[in-house]
Amino acid sequence: QFALTQPASVSGSPGQTITISCTGTSSDVKNYNLVSWYQQHPGKAPKLIIYEVTKRPSGVSNRFSGSKSDNTASLTISGLQTEDEADYYCCLYAGFRVFGGGTKLTVL
Amino acid sequence: EVQLVESGGALVQPGRSLRLSCAASGFIFDDFAMHWVRQTPGKGLEWVAGINWNGGGIGYGDSVKGRFTISRDNAKNSLFLQMNSLRPEDTAIYYCAKDFTGYTYGNWGQGTLVTVSP
Repeated sequence: QFALTQPASVSGSPGQTITISCTGTSSDVKNYNLVSWYQQHPGKAPKLIIYEVTKRPSGVSNRFSGSKSDNTASLTISGLQTEDEADYYCCLYAGFRVFGGGTKLTVL
Repeated sequence: EVQLVESGGALVQPGRSLRLSCAASGFIFDDFAMHWVRQTPGKGLEWVAGINWNGGGIGYGDSVKGRFTISRDNAKNSLFLQMNSLRPEDTAIYYCAKDFTGYTYGNWGQGTLVTVSP
């Protein structure tokens, strides 16, 4: 069964740049440009921050950026801020819909 | 401002039924597809079901196919999820989400908790 694998946790200090990876178990990430990313703070609903691999919805900080290489999509957060501490989920549409397991970002 | 307010979550026994509702406001409801997405501590986020603007296109996740039914009432700006034959593994927070681009979830409600337990 297809799955998206994310690291369980990443950490960084304020001002730093971090990257969260999202790797597919087959070539669907490579073949579909329909990767999105969601940010979720504790007790809150997820929020869309990246769609179609690289696009940002209106109002989302340009410190958030997305990319893809081969079968791995990545979310990069630059100029890390304390309010970026949250869980981050990738999501793929490839005729089916699947989420990654989530990555907990800690801002030290 | 887009608002999505879910209701109907409860503690229910396995095998029973439950109906969730989502009241939408702040946008033209019948211009958008809508989805239900659930979240469990163990399995994270999972797409449950989606419905197009007029109900003519519907899809379900494999784990709920045949047990759950998504529907909408555009006159009342409302989305529904009828859940039958509930199982303990259906225990989750259920979110109503507004479609964005056809492949993503642009706005989410605050969620409603469904607990399936004897």
